[in-house]
Amino acid sequence: DTAVSQTPKYLVTQMGNDKSIKCEQNLGHDTMYWYKQDSKKFLKIMFSYNNKELIINETVPNRFSPKSPDKAHLNLHINSLELGDSAVYFCASSQDRDGGDKAFFGQGTRLTVV
Amino acid sequence: AQKVTQAQTEISVVEKEDVTLDCVYETRDTTYYLFWYKQPPSGELVFLIRRNSFDEQNEISGRYSWNFQKSTSSFNFTITASQVVDSAVYFCALSSNRDDKIIFGKGTRLHILP
Repeated sequence: DTAVSQTPKYLVTQMGNDKSIKCEQNLGHDTMYWYKQDSKKFLKIMFSYNNKELIINETVPNRFSPKSPDKAHLNLHINSLELGDSAVYFCASSQDRDGGDKAFFGQGTRLTVV
Repeated sequence: AQKVTQAQTEISVVEKEDVTLDCVYETRDTTYYLFWYKQPPSGELVFLIRRNSFDEQNEISGRYSWNFQKSTSSFNFTITASQVVDSAVYFCALSSNRDDKIIFGKGTRLHILP
């Protein structure tokens, strides 16, 4: 039973394309996140949703649009992909929004833009 | 602003040696949480420990131990009798009740040499 699952695991695409990464959690958590890990392994939060409501948007370009159809899903859509978008994207979830709960991470999606 | 500093970018030790990974944090909040995550070569993020700011007791879990010292704003992680399987990138992280996100340090890449 995978707690937080992301698809696809690998994504290779050309510049200018639009792509989506899906995330689902079966833990019953209220809060979900997207993190970006760059080539230097630096992990930075992009978005946070609590019960389908956006609560954090860390000055991410508006080419990135998260969508939460229900609290178990948080998908990430990226328009007009650029070379600099190449990274590993991690979805995560936690029970509460107060930051005190540990986050469970998906296995990551390695996005390569060529 | 909240910040996590892992000054050691990369460490190499020979198997069976003890190794300590340093973590220094900054926060103005009185209630906060500290975490350690492990990222093995396979790429997933594995939760190791969470500590809240009111609990300064050190913790030991098998070969792993954590030393939380509020006086120096540090939350160091020691691996005793290291093994090759401990080779990974280790992230220290911080969150607080006022902030709905976990902030990560830049990670320490640990190489355990056989």
